[in-house]
Amino acid sequence: TQLLEQSPQFLSIQEGENLTVYCNSSSVFSSLQWYRQEPGEGPVLLVTVVTGGEVKKLKRLTFQFGDARKDSSLHITAAQPGDTGLYLCAGANTNAGKSTFGDGTTLTVKP
Amino acid sequence: DVKVTQSSRYLVKRTGEKVFLECVQDMDHENMFWYRQDPGLGLRLIYFSYDVKMKEKGDIPEGYSVSREKKERFSLILESASTNQTSMYLCASSTSQGLGETQYFGPGTRLLVL
Repeated sequence: TQLLEQSPQFLSIQEGENLTVYCNSSSVFSSLQWYRQEPGEGPVLLVTVVTGGEVKKLKRLTFQFGDARKDSSLHITAAQPGDTGLYLCAGANTNAGKSTFGDGTTLTVKP
Repeated sequence: DVKVTQSSRYLVKRTGEKVFLECVQDMDHENMFWYRQDPGLGLRLIYFSYDVKMKEKGDIPEGYSVSREKKERFSLILESASTNQTSMYLCASSTSQGLGETQYFGPGTRLLVL
């Protein structure tokens, strides 16, 4: 069974601070996705990374896929209260159909 | 705009009742999934389906069954609801084309079993 571990589990910071969330596994994945989930809603895809070492930027969010395609990180610059939510990483393998989800990081950004 | 809809946002049922949760997607996706989400336990896969009338057990299928009679619809059935099935239930779909890794989620059904 492939497992994904996310850290930290909870993170509470002030508006304007930077933060990094990690997603680690001992397994190799073909691709890795990051989702964000707001309270009472389903997760929504933020980004997919496919190539080892790949870096993708989405405004203040920077996503990196590890060289060995076993881990990933999400860095948020100058966090805002609107960034508050549950961040989930998910690993997938080609033709496997299903994904493996991490337990998530709950981020709270205080004004 | 892609859409996954779930029949109810909130449900309250009594122990022993049969419960149906319905999920519909309008993206012509082949794959559909049912998860439950509990604090500290993340998303746990209950069942998934690759095609009409096909189903595969996920990590926690006990106490649940599913039905996929049409491509766009995937139903989760609790044959006899129990209090430990109180949870947030999320449906998702994905395509089999390309990498097919992106899952599109519905808004969730929060089920309370009394």
